[in-house]
Amino acid sequence: EPEVTQTPSHQVTQMGQEVILRCVPISNHLYFYWYRQILGQKVEFLVSFYNNEISEKSEIFDDQFSVERPDGSNFTLKIRSTKLEDSAMYFCASSVQGSGSTDTQYFGPGTRLTVL
Amino acid sequence: ELKVEQNPLFLSMQEGKNYTIYCNYSTTSDRLYWYRQDPGKSLESLFVLLSNGAVKQEGRLMASLDTKARLSTLHITAAVHDLSATYFCAVDMGTDKLIFGTGTRLQVFP
Repeated sequence: EPEVTQTPSHQVTQMGQEVILRCVPISNHLYFYWYRQILGQKVEFLVSFYNNEISEKSEIFDDQFSVERPDGSNFTLKIRSTKLEDSAMYFCASSVQGSGSTDTQYFGPGTRLTVL
Repeated sequence: ELKVEQNPLFLSMQEGKNYTIYCNYSTTSDRLYWYRQDPGKSLESLFVLLSNGAVKQEGRLMASLDTKARLSTLHITAAVHDLSATYFCAVDMGTDKLIFGTGTRLQVFP
């Protein structure tokens, strides 16, 4: 069964460093998303991406964050200068269609980001 | 801003018992999802509810949606240990994003 994959599974970085989290969405999916979950808390939406552009973003997704689909398979989240409060599990998700459809979003296994 | 609240936040129940998890949300939406999350794991889609009055069932779980009351329920019938997990509802805002609820951590004991 096709699934969303993410690398790395765990990333440790120093505060102020740049990190890139990578995702490979399910191959026929057109909509891509990033969410994050601080330990023990709820899942928070960061950004959605369709047709090579951001379609929606949250207040969390400030200028320190960016997303890119550098080729036909990868979808990346970059954090330019990490802060301690960026420590969280980051989930990538994908769906065939966007909101208003019958489709659900399929989530990857997550990347645990630890900022020291 | 949309608020999605679940209750209870934590539920400890005995095997064989029934219980309901509630998901209330504060704005109009006719699409709601339920996900399951095991500790340290990703989110697994359980149900997609697409209209008022929608009811879906899978095994011991049944989900329903009342868009007028802005309420969804996840009913557990005759709980078993394997159902122990955290359950999240998520509201589709119609703008390519899901707003998740606070989560309900379910623990089923013998």
